Amino acid sequence: AQSVTQPDIHITVSEGASLELRCNYSYGATPYLFWYVQSPGQGLQLLLKYFSGDTLVQGIKGFEAEFKRSQSSFNLRKPSVHWSDAAEYFCAVLYNNNDMRFGAGTRLTVKP
Amino acid sequence: DAGITQSPRHKVTETGTPVTLRCHQTENHRYMYWYRQDPGHGLRLIHYSYGVKDTDKGEVSDGYSVSRSKTEDFLLTLESATSSQTSVYFCAIKRVDSYTEAFFGQGTRLTVV
Repeated sequence: AQSVTQPDIHITVSEGASLELRCNYSYGATPYLFWYVQSPGQGLQLLLKYFSGDTLVQGIKGFEAEFKRSQSSFNLRKPSVHWSDAAEYFCAVLYNNNDMRFGAGTRLTVKP
Repeated sequence: DAGITQSPRHKVTETGTPVTLRCHQTENHRYMYWYRQDPGHGLRLIHYSYGVKDTDKGEVSDGYSVSRSKTEDFLLTLESATSSQTSVYFCAIKRVDSYTEAFFGQGTRLTVV
């Protein structure tokens, strides 16, 4: 079955520390992959996406993600976290034109 | 800003009453979607539309119906609301007819008491 797994429900990091949020998916072919961020009471904003080509993709707000086919993963990273990065992050996989599946989300808390 | 407006933004309703949520877009996009967001589940697709009067079911469509009589409006109806339908509902659009990202509205928080 098609699924997207974000193993970490909640992560706390100190401001200035590095961040990695994990995402694993199940799919036989190369999927279309996304990371979205949601601030409290807001809609989802696209951080970055991967369709093909270079497996390291750059996004907005200093985020990047790496697609690893062998591990069925698309982990999100940021070298130095800012307090404004506190939010909930969702990994998503587009299985066909109208079937976008989301992970359960990872809530990020940033300590001063 | 993808030109998406959801209304109402908040609603409290009683079990058994009908409820309609509206998604309005200003950019004439063909594809529109309704998702619900629940803790521990992320977002799940309820219904989608690929044109006027063309709709299809998503992952969690039971208890919901949709209509699209105009390109700009996509309505989600709960015919008889239940407490399990308490959720945050998001409308989304796609800008082109291809494998691309979705753009989301601000959400409607629905509470069924």
